[in-house]
Amino acid sequence: AQSVAQPEDQVNVAEGNPLTVKCTYSVSGNPYLFWYVQYPNRGLQFLLKYITGDNLVKGSYGFEAEFNKSQTSFHLKKPSALVSDSALYFCAVRDNNQGGKLIFGQGTELSVKP
Amino acid sequence: GAGVSQSPSNKVTEKGKDVELRCDPISGHTALYWYRQRLGQGLEFLIYFQGNSAPDKSGLPSDRFSAERTGESVSTLTIQRTQQEDSAVYLCASSTEHTGELFFGEGSRLTVL
Repeated sequence: AQSVAQPEDQVNVAEGNPLTVKCTYSVSGNPYLFWYVQYPNRGLQFLLKYITGDNLVKGSYGFEAEFNKSQTSFHLKKPSALVSDSALYFCAVRDNNQGGKLIFGQGTELSVKP
Repeated sequence: GAGVSQSPSNKVTEKGKDVELRCDPISGHTALYWYRQRLGQGLEFLIYFQGNSAPDKSGLPSDRFSAERTGESVSTLTIQRTQQEDSAVYLCASSTEHTGELFFGEGSRLTVL
């Protein structure tokens, strides 16, 4: 069965510093990987996805993520954090050998302080 | 409309009552998902519809939960004999294809007293 783990409930960074939000996954086939962001009292918004090709994926708001097959990871990164990046971040995985069900991690609360 | 629309946005009900939540996906989106998000927690997969294929119901927590979708349009999630633990935000999302990103609605907040 497919699964996804976000080992950190919360990540704290200072504004201007680089940030990383971790995600690892488990699938039987090839993964499709996604990151979403949820701002307070708002719906989820798509950030980026990895389907195939270049392991480094660039997305919205300056975020990027690196697909690492050997470590089964898809960590979200940004070179310089903004206070406005503070939100709840979700990693999600779809096993393309098991249909289209998309499974989400438990989420990581990112807090960026000035 | 341009986005995924869910109704009602808020629903307060008494324990034991049935509730029905509605989702209007983006036109042309063949895939539709329902998730549940309890306060302070992650997204729990409930059910997935893809075109005319049989839905993936593997996430429905009990037989009190059911969902239907008419073709590639509206979906309804029905919860029978609601319990307090059903209180959550129910999120609907749709997408165009197997590799496509999901577009989420604003959710229906259900409170069971």
